[in-house]
Amino acid sequence: DGGITQSPKYLFRKEGQNVTLSCEQNLNHDAMYWYRQDPGQGLRLIYYSQIVNDFQKGDIAEGYSVSREKKESFPLTVTSAQKNPTAFYLCASSFPTGGTVEAFFGQGTRLTVV
Amino acid sequence: AQSVTQLGSHVSVSEGALVLLRCNYSSSVPPYLFWYVQYPNQGLQLLLKYTTGATLVKGINGFEAEFKKSETSFHLTKPSAHMSDAAEYFCAVSDQAGTALIFGKGTTLSVSS
Repeated sequence: DGGITQSPKYLFRKEGQNVTLSCEQNLNHDAMYWYRQDPGQGLRLIYYSQIVNDFQKGDIAEGYSVSREKKESFPLTVTSAQKNPTAFYLCASSFPTGGTVEAFFGQGTRLTVV
Repeated sequence: AQSVTQLGSHVSVSEGALVLLRCNYSSSVPPYLFWYVQYPNQGLQLLLKYTTGATLVKGINGFEAEFKKSETSFHLTKPSAHMSDAAEYFCAVSDQAGTALIFGKGTTLSVSS
């Protein structure tokens, strides 16, 4: 079945460590996105990519980095510079060239700093 | 810049009652509008979307929403609530295909028997 796979579902990190969240899609979508979700804050955009080897910062990119080397993959690295990384992270994709304007979401990764 | 305001962070209804979740948006161009639902510790699922055409949009699970340009609103309704509707609901806007969706802060719907 086609979809978006985020791994792992739960992730624990010690302070000062970098950690990478995986996002893979087999929907042949061009655009991919990373959002951060905190209680009562909704979803806030971290980074997005509309094409391979290109990406743009969202509203809260500080302390995060991404790469888009393959169409199917858009990993997010949470660096030690991110002051408060504990949150629920959601990856999404869309297919604007195919006429799909909505975003499809993965099941999320819950990151906890210990 | 686009923005979304969801009025009421928490709405409580009885089973069988009308569900009304409010969403107002700001956009300088004709928007695309969306409602998503999220169950605990899961991703978001699309309920319905407005792109162009008919302003009353029907979605899954009996939900519908009406795009009112004059009021810049896109409220979500369901005539009769079911216990399984209890979840968090998000309204979102984008100004063109392929751009990132901008989300509201969400409304938690509780349904009591």
